[in-house]
Amino acid sequence: SQKIEQNSEALNIQEGKTATLTCNYTNYSPAYLQWYRQDPGRGPVFLLLIRENEKEKRKERLKVTFDTTLKQSLFHITASQPADSATYLCALESTGGGNKLTFGTGTQLKVEL
Amino acid sequence: GAVVSQHPSRVICKSGTSVKIECRSLDFQATTMFWYRQFPKQSLMLMATSNEGSKATYEQGVEKDKFLINHASLTLSTLTVTSAHPEDSSFYICSAKSPPRGQETQYFGPGTRLLVL
Repeated sequence: SQKIEQNSEALNIQEGKTATLTCNYTNYSPAYLQWYRQDPGRGPVFLLLIRENEKEKRKERLKVTFDTTLKQSLFHITASQPADSATYLCALESTGGGNKLTFGTGTQLKVEL
Repeated sequence: GAVVSQHPSRVICKSGTSVKIECRSLDFQATTMFWYRQFPKQSLMLMATSNEGSKATYEQGVEKDKFLINHASLTLSTLTVTSAHPEDSSFYICSAKSPPRGQETQYFGPGTRLLVL
């Protein structure tokens, strides 16, 4: 069966360090993968999209890698700040297509002073 | 740009009543909108795909007669939870695709918290 797995345990890191979050998937052949940020009681906010033919993508302090052989994406936040504390979700297009997304359960990140 | 709003943000209702949630794309036209449900500490689960001018497509296990979706215009989709019960209490989130920014990206509303007593 299809699965999208993210570390369910919260990730606590110190301000200024690099946070690395993992997204693993099985039984998907995604053309692209997306990362979203979700704050408590709010809808997700789009961060980055990476395509299957891209190894890495950057946006300001964010970096995403995509390894279709390992079936894994890594999401990095460099020089992390307390304001980066949130839940981060990865998402893949559902097999039915139509741009429908299936989300992972998300990883909660806490950046401490 | 690509702002999506939802109304109301929170609603409390009695069991057996119906609740309507609106989703609007404020600065773009959305031919397709999506409705999700999210239970505490769980991920978003797609309920249905809403296409302007046509019937919504529901995901497996979602009752179409209970969750009525109407995509009346290119900027408005509504979700009506009919005869709501306590187990329908959840966080309902809509999203819309913004074609000028790429087909794949979805822009989400702020969500509607529904509590059925």
